[in-house]
Amino acid sequence: KQEVTQIPAALSVPEGENLVLNCSFTDSAIYNLQWFRQDPGKGLTSLLLIQSSQREQTSGRLNASLDKSSGRSTLYIAASQPGDSATYLCAGLGNPGGGADGLTFGKGTHLIIQP
Amino acid sequence: EPEVTQTPSHQVTQMGQEVILRCVPISNHLYFYWYRQILGQKVEFLVSFYNNEISEKSEIFDDQFSVERPDGSNFTLKIRSTKLEDSAMYFCASSEQGLYSPLHFGNGTRLTVT
Repeated sequence: KQEVTQIPAALSVPEGENLVLNCSFTDSAIYNLQWFRQDPGKGLTSLLLIQSSQREQTSGRLNASLDKSSGRSTLYIAASQPGDSATYLCAGLGNPGGGADGLTFGKGTHLIIQP
Repeated sequence: EPEVTQTPSHQVTQMGQEVILRCVPISNHLYFYWYRQILGQKVEFLVSFYNNEISEKSEIFDDQFSVERPDGSNFTLKIRSTKLEDSAMYFCASSEQGLYSPLHFGNGTRLTVT
């Protein structure tokens, strides 16, 4: 059964810094991995989706990587802004057709960007 | 930008009562999902739905739960006889191409069972 762990649980950095959020998963037979952002009282917003055949995806100041062999994904945020403050969730999808339609989520990293 | 909408935003019910949570997925999406998040815990998969039938369900999705797409726009989650431990935030999600495309989540319905 896939387990997803995110480190650190919380992070506070000054505005303008580059930062890295980490995600690890136990089953390397991962089909794809998504990073989400969750604001208080809101739903989840998909940030980046990396298919198993890809190594990374970029969107604006965000870059996500996937290393299946080591069971790791990272989310890199460049030039952080106060508006980036949120909880960031990593979620992996297991092997489709093998009874694994659902995403397995980590507990998230609560990020605070200090103005 | 199109979005997934969920109603109500907050539902309070007594233990043993039936509740129906409603969702309107993005109009051109074909794959629909329910997830839940108990306070302070991880988001958990409940069920996926495609072509008017359940594709997959988790261990959480027992006989107390059911889903339905009653018309071309709504997608509902019914809990027949609510328990205290059903208290959670319930998220509906949809995607255009299932496993190959990002999931779009609604803002959730906070269910409180007293």
